[in-house]
Amino acid sequence: ETGVTQTPRHLVMGMTNKKSLKCEQHLGHNAMYWYKQSAKKPLELMFVYSLEERVENNSVPSRFSPECPNSSHLFLHLHTLQPEDSALYLCASSQEGVGQPQHFGDGTRLSIL
Amino acid sequence: EDQVTQSPEALRLQEGESSSLNCSYTVSGLRGLFWYRQDPGKGPEFLFTLYSAGEEKEKERLKATLTKKESFLHITAPKPEDSATYLCAVHSRYSNSGYALNFGKGTSLLVTP
Repeated sequence: ETGVTQTPRHLVMGMTNKKSLKCEQHLGHNAMYWYKQSAKKPLELMFVYSLEERVENNSVPSRFSPECPNSSHLFLHLHTLQPEDSALYLCASSQEGVGQPQHFGDGTRLSIL
Repeated sequence: EDQVTQSPEALRLQEGESSSLNCSYTVSGLRGLFWYRQDPGKGPEFLFTLYSAGEEKEKERLKATLTKKESFLHITAPKPEDSATYLCAVHSRYSNSGYALNFGKGTSLLVTP
């Protein structure tokens, strides 16, 4: 495996379900990110993990909970989601530091029933 | 507040018809401007980073340029396989401890034979 891998690629869940999205990077990077991509809107940054330390994004609802057990793996735990949370969730990684490009996975397409 | 505006929103070109995409930005101290390409159902693919006004980068039919207020992505003699959404982003301060990418909404490019 190379680059950034996200699983599952597609997920359909009810509002009361609990599920997790997984991201793995094979680039030797030390920072990882979660983004939300909705139609007609720019990518929205949700969470940043730099050197395995989480940088809080206070605008993200608590029904989204990230976890970064090591520099290669990132999870997004989902609980009691709303229909407006349906979107493409993208994971990215980079070397920590200003000016470093981020490399993205192909995302998880999430649909909330 | 840092802002990124891309124009046009959509662009349709004939094969071989050269054109340019625009990315205007306002940021307090540019630390990197990034261009990405995104195909349907895929994550953004990194193309270029530009750091200072006057800088240019090239890759096949694409050339990115940067001024103090905007960046252009020039597409020379495009082919149908260049059809994609092109995203522009700047590195913005995300918190006291880090930076993350601030994206525009993108330009959807369609190249017809």
